[in-house]
Amino acid sequence: DAGVIQSPRHEVTEMGQEVTLRCKPISGHNSLFWYRQTMMRGLELLIYFNNNVPIDDSGMPEDRFSAKMPNASFSTLKIQPSEPRDSAVYFCASRHQGRDNEQFFGPGTRLTVL
Amino acid sequence: AQKVTQAQTEISVVEKEDVTLDCVYETRDTTYYLFWYKQPPSGELVFLIRRNSFDEQNEISGRYSWNFQKSTSSFNFTITASQVVDSAVYFCALSGPSTDSWGKLQFGAGTQVVVTP
Repeated sequence: DAGVIQSPRHEVTEMGQEVTLRCKPISGHNSLFWYRQTMMRGLELLIYFNNNVPIDDSGMPEDRFSAKMPNASFSTLKIQPSEPRDSAVYFCASRHQGRDNEQFFGPGTRLTVL
Repeated sequence: AQKVTQAQTEISVVEKEDVTLDCVYETRDTTYYLFWYKQPPSGELVFLIRRNSFDEQNEISGRYSWNFQKSTSSFNFTITASQVVDSAVYFCALSGPSTDSWGKLQFGAGTQVVVTP
């Protein structure tokens, strides 16, 4: 069974550009999480969804960040406009709520904003 | 509030030595889950173990073992006979109903383990 799939794996963009990160959770999982990892702040939860519905977006830094989950097999995290301080590794994770509590992480997207 | 403390920032050992990673947590929940994840240099986060707060049995899996002590709010992780491939950052995490739902993981800051030949 494939794990969590994220694309792109690396993204380099210029300040002010729109960035879209994509995630495909593990089939059958009904919870999806977006995290950001930086040296300064460690792992931060940005937002998570249960059954495609956003439950908690209190970790989203500001209005430049938005996330969607149009169906059970796809989610996007968008940054518009991007800024250099957004440079980080962005992880997507999924789990099956109600069966197990562990989250399974994707390989991450390394974002660099110049 | 939930909090996970990994006081050790970095541990360096020589191959074949044992290494123990400390994890201390705070929670007001009576039921909760504890986790360990490994992040090797390649960057992915790998799930290692989940422990329910009702189950205080220690667990051994190959060279890995975990010591859960509710009385001291600790969930320590030991690597026996370390190998170079064990070099990674190890994260302890906690989830419980007080974080609005069971979904959110509260991560510690991580401990960098460096195993040299």
